[in-house]
Amino acid sequence: QSALTQPPSVSGSPGQSVTISCTGTSSDIDSYNRVSWYQQPPGTAPKLMIYEVSNRPSGVPDRFSGSKSGNTASLTISGLQAEDEADYYCSLYTSSNTWVFGGGTKLTVL
Amino acid sequence: EVQLLESGGGLVQPGGSLRLSCAASGFTFSNYGMTWVRQAPGKGLEWVSAMSGGGKSTYYADSVKGRFTISRDNSKNTLYLQMNSLRAEDTAVYYCGKHSTLTKDPFDIWGQGTMVTVSS
Repeated sequence: QSALTQPPSVSGSPGQSVTISCTGTSSDIDSYNRVSWYQQPPGTAPKLMIYEVSNRPSGVPDRFSGSKSGNTASLTISGLQAEDEADYYCSLYTSSNTWVFGGGTKLTVL
Repeated sequence: EVQLLESGGGLVQPGGSLRLSCAASGFTFSNYGMTWVRQAPGKGLEWVSAMSGGGKSTYYADSVKGRFTISRDNSKNTLYLQMNSLRAEDTAVYYCGKHSTLTKDPFDIWGQGTMVTVSS
């Protein structure tokens, strides 16, 4: 199973933008558009924020956006708010019919 | 309201067994793939297993293959995870998740999780 690499932590002040990267191998992220992103505030279950690289489920603010370039997917949060403070995980559906998560990124709103 | 409610967690000795359940409501259960994801204390998410809506296809992470079995009873709207030969490293919160349709689709609904502790 492939590995997805995320930065352990990122931070930003209210109103700023932050970007969280998710890097895989060229055989996975580069080849598939099955990257999704999850938000997990402390002590709660994860929540789907982005699917298929850049699509937002109903109810997710448009401050959240996703993109992909080569073997790196990215989640960008603009207009940062205190409520955005959480752990964020990327995830990929692999060619082996399995799922893999990145190690997670802790977002701190300063 | 779409809802998933896990149960069955607890304390078990190494080598023991446990069966988790996930009761679904608010949607046509048999139409959706379902999955189990776990999170060790202070650690990240780890996908464990998935099953197609009709139950014919199952998938496992290498870390649990041969020890865990996923199943579902569509008449009871319930997903299960039978865990055998448990190890200390299986200690985690176990979440069930609903795929948006097929098991290749993302997890759009999650339960609140149930804690499994493997310790003597």
